[in-house]
Amino acid sequence: QKEVEQDPGPLSVPEGAIVSLNCTYSNSAFQYFMWYRQYSRKGPELLMYTYSSGNKEDGRFTAQVDKSSKYISLFIRDSQPSDSATYLCAMRAYSGGGADGLTFGKGTHLIIQP
Amino acid sequence: DAMVIQNPRYQVTQFGKPVTLSCSQTLNHNVMYWYQQKSSQAPKLLFHYYDKDFNNEADTPDNFQSRRPNTSFCFLDIRSPGLGDAAMYLCATSRDRGGANYGYTFGSGTRLTVV
Repeated sequence: QKEVEQDPGPLSVPEGAIVSLNCTYSNSAFQYFMWYRQYSRKGPELLMYTYSSGNKEDGRFTAQVDKSSKYISLFIRDSQPSDSATYLCAMRAYSGGGADGLTFGKGTHLIIQP
Repeated sequence: DAMVIQNPRYQVTQFGKPVTLSCSQTLNHNVMYWYQQKSSQAPKLLFHYYDKDFNNEADTPDNFQSRRPNTSFCFLDIRSPGLGDAAMYLCATSRDRGGANYGYTFGSGTRLTVV
């Protein structure tokens, strides 16, 4: 079993729809959870960052973490064609050194149809 | 303004010919990472520098090396590129732990083609 599972899609929805993107993970040591957006041929761009369980909202984006289920979600409200991209979940464990790399999901390719 | 800059954006190299990819940052972050991302796959950490301390991932092939001559620059050297090394190479930085934000800042990547 991979450490982080993410459905690669593609996920195609009409403009204005609510989008739900999800990841599951197996490592209970993960405490920091992030969502990155990656446009074609570009580097990932940090969208949301969450520590431990709970919700975080930023504009049209809401991140949810359920550590008991080892499940994280990203919701996009009022989706726009410019939201079309690959969305990668990423997570890391706590460590004293603080310099550990992230473990990524494969990414979900999202298409917002005008 | 770009804060993590990778050069070149596209690199074509011959099978077996050494190649160097570069990354520079204006964030003054202590940590710099190199990730390999193949098509439709998750980025895979190759190694990172915490200041001058080099940390290699256990499964990173010996063919991949890195140098960090100063805080701002980090290089990825591929000594003998094979066809399987064709990928997007991503450089990322992060602050020291202790800040509230553990997100990483990525460059735009270098797409390496091996012919």
